[in-house]
Amino acid sequence: QQQVRQSPQSLTVWEGETAILNCSYENSAFDYFPWYQQFPGEGPALLISILSVSDKKEDGRFTIFFNKREKKLSLHIADSQPGDSATYFCAARMNYGSSGNKLIFGIGTLLSVKP
Amino acid sequence: EAAVTQSPRNKVTVTGGNVTLSCRQTNSHNYMYWYRQDTGHGLRLIHYSYGAGNLQIGDVPDGYKATRTTQEDFFLLLELASPSQTSLYFCASSEGLGLAETLYFGSGTRLTVL
Repeated sequence: QQQVRQSPQSLTVWEGETAILNCSYENSAFDYFPWYQQFPGEGPALLISILSVSDKKEDGRFTIFFNKREKKLSLHIADSQPGDSATYFCAARMNYGSSGNKLIFGIGTLLSVKP
Repeated sequence: EAAVTQSPRNKVTVTGGNVTLSCRQTNSHNYMYWYRQDTGHGLRLIHYSYGAGNLQIGDVPDGYKATRTTQEDFFLLLELASPSQTSLYFCASSEGLGLAETLYFGSGTRLTVL
């Protein structure tokens, strides 16, 4: 059972458009939601993250909108650039206290930005 | 910038073979993780550790062993490799129990089991 769901699996936008990547989750105990960006041949790298006590987080062209009641969040990439073409993973953290924090990842969204 | 180094970069073995994947981090992070990445499944946690000698079971541990020999080194062992373990493997590290901590990933090891 996929605890973190992402849609769409792939997305193509034109340069300058806003790309919207969606994520939803099942478990109310998740408290932290990072988004990771992965380029081909590389490991994922943290892009932006949000805690469950917030409903919005901005970092330059990247914004997370978070709806705790509906257990949904989305990543908006404004003014998309070809260099943003990558796979984006939504993740959620289950806090296990002293035994460590596990991140559960979605299946990813492959974003392609056409010039 | 945190540094996580994986080796080898690519590995081919046969069914029933014995494989060890290595990971070293040089930032004194407490936590280290092994994930596998497969199309349609994203990243799935195999094992993780919060210090030398410690091992925690992840979400897809069957067929895998792991050992954390030092603060820096974390190994993933496949003692009887099967074709279903053909995958891209990532090691990651993080500082600890921070409220909003970051995982730092290596560049991955692509394993093929024939």
